[in-house]
Amino acid sequence: NAGVTQTPKFQVLKTGQSMTLQCAQDMNHNSMYWYRQDPGMGLRLIYYSASEGTTDKGEVPNGYNVSRLNKREFSLRLESAAPSQTSVYFCASSEGARRTGELFFGEGSRLTVL
Amino acid sequence: AQSVTQPDIHITVSEGASLELRCNYSYGATPYLFWYVQSPGQGLQLLLKYFSGDTLVQGIKGFEAEFKRSQSSFNLRKPSVHWSDAAEYFCAVGASTAGNKLTFGGGTRVLVKP
Repeated sequence: NAGVTQTPKFQVLKTGQSMTLQCAQDMNHNSMYWYRQDPGMGLRLIYYSASEGTTDKGEVPNGYNVSRLNKREFSLRLESAAPSQTSVYFCASSEGARRTGELFFGEGSRLTVL
Repeated sequence: AQSVTQPDIHITVSEGASLELRCNYSYGATPYLFWYVQSPGQGLQLLLKYFSGDTLVQGIKGFEAEFKRSQSSFNLRKPSVHWSDAAEYFCAVGASTAGNKLTFGGGTRVLVKP
């Protein structure tokens, strides 16, 4: 039972490079999320997708784009990476957005931008 | 806007001693409250949640938390800590109208001394 799978687990980029973080869930969940984790700041929501075909901005969307490819997959793209985007990124999923409930998290992707 | 404060960044506790982690939230209506735990290099796992009803909620791994509306708090407790409880703990708040867009506190890192 894989749950939420993120790739890659580690990535080093130079300023200005682009990359895409991939996320897939096998729990048939409707909603998916991208968070970033920085020391002392907890997790902050970047983008979320309440259901297939919809995406919305979270607290810190600047510099990111997302794609809900299908019900299983939700990718996060950095078009022109900046050192401020050095962080650990977590993808999460939940059954649905109608009622606040448990989020299931991936193991994280550690990104360093030089 | 909702917010969560975890006043303690680090806590050191001896194995077998009790543990209490503090969480204060800000939200206009009745919040949905959560505690998550993150082991090193892992994603977040739900410990417990409060939606309504009994203000003392039980979770996994022997943890419990008490919702106190008058103090806007949702503190996490464990009577006897095990070495495996060394981890980072996050309190989170959500709103019934916000789907699953949780707001997380900055986290408390727990170190367990033998």
